[in-house]
Formats: sequence, structure tokens, C-alpha cells
Amino acid sequence: KAGVTQTPRYLIKTRGQQVTLSCSPISGHRSVSWYQQTPGQGLQFLFEYFSETQRNKGNFPGRFSGRQFSNSRSEMNVSTLELGDSALYLCASSWAGVREKLFFGSGTQLSVL
Amino acid sequence: QQQVKQSPQSLIVQKGGIPIINCAYENTAFDYFPWYQQFPGKGPALLIAIRPDVSEKKEGRFTISFNKSAKQFSLHIMDSQPGDSATYFCAASNRDQAGTALIFGKGTTLSVSS
Repeated sequence: KAGVTQTPRYLIKTRGQQVTLSCSPISGHRSVSWYQQTPGQGLQFLFEYFSETQRNKGNFPGRFSGRQFSNSRSEMNVSTLELGDSALYLCASSWAGVREKLFFGSGTQLSVL
Repeated sequence: QQQVKQSPQSLIVQKGGIPIINCAYENTAFDYFPWYQQFPGKGPALLIAIRPDVSEKKEGRFTISFNKSAKQFSLHIMDSQPGDSATYFCAASNRDQAGTALIFGKGTTLSVSS
């Protein structure tokens, strides 16, 4: 069974640009959540989607947004990139997403110059 | 605001030793406490998880001890091996929030020397 797939693996952008990251969950999983990982702040929850609806949102500015498609694939978008947005962005999927095992992808490493 | 405090930040043990990683929380609405292991270049992977109605849970060489009154929990790795060298994260989930949002500790980098 294929794991969680995130594309692209690496991205380099400049300040002010926008970026879209993609996540394909494990087949059958309906919950997709996104996390930002940085050396200073660790792993921080961005948002979660379940059956195409945002179910929960972390404490990030509105420049961070996401969506989920009918096949459970998800994308996150960051507009007007800032240097501080440089991070590893991780996607995780699960069946229903409540108090259960999350399966993480290997992440997209975003560098903002 | 860091809601789950993890210590130590780094840990070095010899092969066969028993590293212990500690986490503490304040929010009594937390009701699910998983531990994740992360290797360089990979996403975190679930090791073991516990709920507050259980004081201890063991899976293979990994054991969680949970102290509800002290709002603390810890991970013990028995007979540690060089392959256990990784970063370990404790986390918590809030029952008052919908879905699966996890609040992670800042992580502990474990090195097991042979």
C-alpha cells in the first residue's frame, strides 16, 4: 500500500511569491492535516481537512490556506511568501482523524530567499 | 504558547542503555498522548500512544509511563540500539477540539552509541 506522497520534495521561492504544495493521502484515508516543522518552533499544526471540509485550523496567518478534493488529495497554498516561511511542510493522513495514528509523508522542504 | 514541554533537548546513551524522555502539559482537556519518531529526511512515525485512564503502556522495547495527577508522561526505550538514534516527539490532542490536531513538544534528539 503506497504511503503519503508529497510533491514537490524541494522548493525554492523568493519573497512575495506564492507556492502550492500537494499531498496524496493513503488510499481510503479521508483526513488530511498539514504541519509546519522548523528548528526553532518544532512541529506546528496548520489545518486539517476531512471530506473536503476544513475541520480545524491552527494559529497561522490567512496567507496559509488549503483545500481538499473529492479524492481526498489536498493542497496547501502560501501567498506572499516571507523569509520566515522557510520550513519543512508535512502532510499527514488518517482514516477519520480523531485520536488515531497519523501517517506522515516525507514533506516538502520550502526555502524562501 | 508551548503547551507541551519536552525534555531533554538531546540525549546520548550507550547501546543497551535506557533513555528516558519526559513531557509535561497543563491543559486538562488533553486526552490522547502519542509519541512519534523521526529519522532525518523522513516524516514522523507513530511509536506508541496512551490515554489518561492508563498509567503505563508497553509496545516492544518502548514504554510510556503516564502520571495524570502530575500531568506528566515519559517514554522509556529499553535495550536501546544504534538504530534508535532519531528525534522523538511527544504530543497531545485536545478533546475540546474537532479532528486530529496534535500539539507537539519541541523534540529530543537521541544518539545511541555502539
